[in-house]
Amino acid sequence: GIQVEQSPPDLILQEGANSTLRCNFSDSVNNLQWFHQNPWGQLINLFYIPSGTKQNGRLSATTVATERYSLLYISSSQTTDSGVYFCAGARTGSARQLTFGSGTQLTVLP
Amino acid sequence: GAGVSQSPRYKVAKRGQDVALRCDPISGHVSLFWYQQALGQGPEFLTYFQNEAQLDKSGLPSDRFFAERPEGSVSTLKIQRTQQEDSAVYLCASSGAGGTGNSPLHFGNGTRLTVT
Repeated sequence: GIQVEQSPPDLILQEGANSTLRCNFSDSVNNLQWFHQNPWGQLINLFYIPSGTKQNGRLSATTVATERYSLLYISSSQTTDSGVYFCAGARTGSARQLTFGSGTQLTVLP
Repeated sequence: GAGVSQSPRYKVAKRGQDVALRCDPISGHVSLFWYQQALGQGPEFLTYFQNEAQLDKSGLPSDRFFAERPEGSVSTLKIQRTQQEDSAVYLCASSGAGGTGNSPLHFGNGTRLTVT
């Protein structure tokens, strides 16, 4: 299966700061998604983004499929942004079986 | 329903007991997935259904794990003769796409299984 590397593993921010999270894939993927897992364990889908750029409020994501990486941008962070951010991808031809990275633990301090 | 619903929310089982975990996907969603999440790790794929057909069960860790979705809606994940290493959060997800499943995945709150 594919390998998914996320960086950084941990990130501590002051409220209002911006951040960039990165996800690298070992192989080409045609199904790439970003999730936020809140402190209560709920996994929320942020973006379905196999290529290109999308924005949703203070969050945006960019995937460069040819170079096998994706970036998640968080602007003007809030304490409610705290939690673990996961990216997940599926290799072309195995698009059902998403492989998750180990996540970025984000803590936003008030 | 409005979201993916899983029950029970918590389950404690003694080693050797059988357990059954239920998932009620978003109404009309064709694809249903089960994932296992160990503490501090990302979810790991277990199995995938398209309607009532189990198309991929390559992630099931042993033959003690069995999943079904007989009418193409509610799914049950059954674990027989539970072992301590089965302790984890079991997550169910659904998506609206059939075929390749290339559409956003929506997760339930999970069932936290503890085997003592």
